[in-house]
Amino acid sequence: DTAVSQTPKYLVTQMGNDKSIKCEQNLGHDTMYWYKQDSKKFLKIMFSYNNKELIINETVPNRFSPKSPDKAHLNLHINSLELGDSAVYFCASSPPGGVTEAFFGQGTRLTVV
Amino acid sequence: AQSVSQHNHHVILSEAASLELGCNYSYGGTVNLFWYVQYPGQHLQLLLKYFSGDPLVKGIKGFEAEFIKSKFSFNLRKPSVQWSDTAEYFCAVNAYGNNRLAFGKGNQVVVIP
Repeated sequence: DTAVSQTPKYLVTQMGNDKSIKCEQNLGHDTMYWYKQDSKKFLKIMFSYNNKELIINETVPNRFSPKSPDKAHLNLHINSLELGDSAVYFCASSPPGGVTEAFFGQGTRLTVV
Repeated sequence: AQSVSQHNHHVILSEAASLELGCNYSYGGTVNLFWYVQYPGQHLQLLLKYFSGDPLVKGIKGFEAEFIKSKFSFNLRKPSVQWSDTAEYFCAVNAYGNNRLAFGKGNQVVVIP
């Protein structure tokens, strides 16, 4: 019973393509996040949703569009992929009341060729 | 905005040696503090957390961390490391009441058998 699950785990695609990464959590949390981890392992928050509402939107190209159909799901769609988008993308969730603990998914390793 | 500093990005030590990783944050208000570990090829897992109370926090796998408010620090320690502690370690800070979890740049720890 995976708490935060992401699909796919690996994604290799060509420049210019559009791709999506899906995330689901079965913890009953209200808040979900997308983080990007670059080749130097630096973790940077991209988006945060609370109960389907966008609350954090960092300086991310508008080719990246999150979508939250319900509070258990937060998907990430990326248009016109570029080489620099290659990274590991982590989904996470946390319970209500501010961040008490973030639970992370397994990550999606995106490689753009 | 809160920020987190971790120094000595690469740490190499032998089994049974003691480990201490520094973490400093910049935020004047109440904070929640975390250390996460990322084993090679895996997702982030929580090692320990501090919200309030005893500033010396014990986590899993023999790790502990001490919150020193006057120094804005939350250093991680383990008295005797094992080869299996080889991983990336991330300090994270959440300003109380907001949904942002800010990560440091991580410490890559390699334990030599």
